Amino acid sequence: DIQMTQSPSTLSASVGDRVTITCRASQSISTWLAWYQQKPGKAPNLLIYKASSLKSGVPSRFSGSGSGTEFTLTISSLQPDDFATYYCQHYISYPLTFGGGTKVEIK
Amino acid sequence: EVQLVESGGGLVQPGGSLRLSCVASGFTFSSNWMTWVRQAPGKGLEWVANINQDGSDTNYVDSVKGRFIISRDNAKNSLHLQMNSLRVGDTAVYYCARDTTKSGDHSYDYWGQGTLVTVSS
Repeated sequence: DIQMTQSPSTLSASVGDRVTITCRASQSISTWLAWYQQKPGKAPNLLIYKASSLKSGVPSRFSGSGSGTEFTLTISSLQPDDFATYYCQHYISYPLTFGGGTKVEIK
Repeated sequence: EVQLVESGGGLVQPGGSLRLSCVASGFTFSSNWMTWVRQAPGKGLEWVANINQDGSDTNYVDSVKGRFIISRDNAKNSLHLQMNSLRVGDTAVYYCARDTTKSGDHSYDYWGQGTLVTVSS
């Protein structure tokens, strides 16, 4: 199974900050990677698929990059609505797996 | 508007069974792979199973193989998860989700609200 490791697990930041979250795969997954945002008590919301494709309707302050084993999700200017938990997910082979999550908190 | 609505969760004893359902609307259900993802209380996301457009291809995480069965009824726009031999470790919110594209890109652009399954004696 491919393991997905996110860092950091918790991140404290202020509104307006540039935020970067890293996701590393235990083996190459090409660009078969998605990023989700989840708020407490709610279903996840897709932000990025195919490593860098922005889902329609997602603000352009979100961007994804990377290929192979190392990926990043960047929020260019953190907004109040962005305080949430973020997950990466690979989908190159079964079982599909998620990272452990990164909680973005208010500093 | 795409909508996915799950039902069927509840409290069940270890060893028991439950059948979850997810009714889809707002898109051509038969065109997309569909998936179940679960989240144990306070924990991260875990992919459980998926099924292709006509139900001929299914995949499962090892921990549920032989116990869970994913199926779909395209005439009724519905997805199901039959869960047998339930364990305490299966306790979670179960989400159904739609593949982002019709070509097997297994990221998920729409999710249901989730249904809680609690396995406890």
